[in-house]
Amino acid sequence: AQKVTQAQTEISVVEKEDVTLDCVYETRDTTYYLFWYKQPPSGELVFLIRRNSFDEQNEISGRYSWNFQKSTSSFNFTITASQVVDSAVYFCALKDYGGSQGNLIFGKGTKLSVKP
Amino acid sequence: EAQVTQNPRYLITVTGKKLTVTCSQNMNHEYMSWYRQDPGLGLRQIYYSMNVEVTDKGDVPEGYKVSRKEKRNFPLILESPSPNQTSLYFCASSLPGSYEQYFGPGTRLTVT
Repeated sequence: AQKVTQAQTEISVVEKEDVTLDCVYETRDTTYYLFWYKQPPSGELVFLIRRNSFDEQNEISGRYSWNFQKSTSSFNFTITASQVVDSAVYFCALKDYGGSQGNLIFGKGTKLSVKP
Repeated sequence: EAQVTQNPRYLITVTGKKLTVTCSQNMNHEYMSWYRQDPGLGLRQIYYSMNVEVTDKGDVPEGYKVSRKEKRNFPLILESPSPNQTSLYFCASSLPGSYEQYFGPGTRLTVT
């Protein structure tokens, strides 16, 4: 069965601190895709990144970086020098090709609060 | 502008009164899906559609119906809503396969 675990329910940091959001996944497939989405207080879901299981290169986009490690089934997300605008709920999600090709399995989300 | 739209954005209704939440996308995506978001549970898939006239159940389909008569539209139907269907609903679309899903703005439904 597929599963995504985000063990951190809520995190609170002060502006300019670095923060890492953890994501651990379970799947039997060798081909799968991992995603991060951001849900700001306004409620919409914003796509941040997609990573496939064959590409373990870390990725950096501005203050955001992602660390994908197949050995530990983790896909962690780090925000460097956090800002108040980073306050949101962040979801990690998994899509694989075992069974339903459509189903995106979400973690329960991590609520990040960045205080000025 | 490429987008997924949902209507209504907010709805308060009573138990048993049939309702439909519409979803439309203008990106010519084959794949569309409905999710519900509940506190502490994240997002869970209700139904999805791989193409016109092709729909299938997600993880929590009970109490919901869908149809896909046109590629751009994927309405969610609650024939007899109950209070446990009070939730935030999201429609999403994507190209088939590995591509990321684009989400609508959400519909907040309250069933009293």
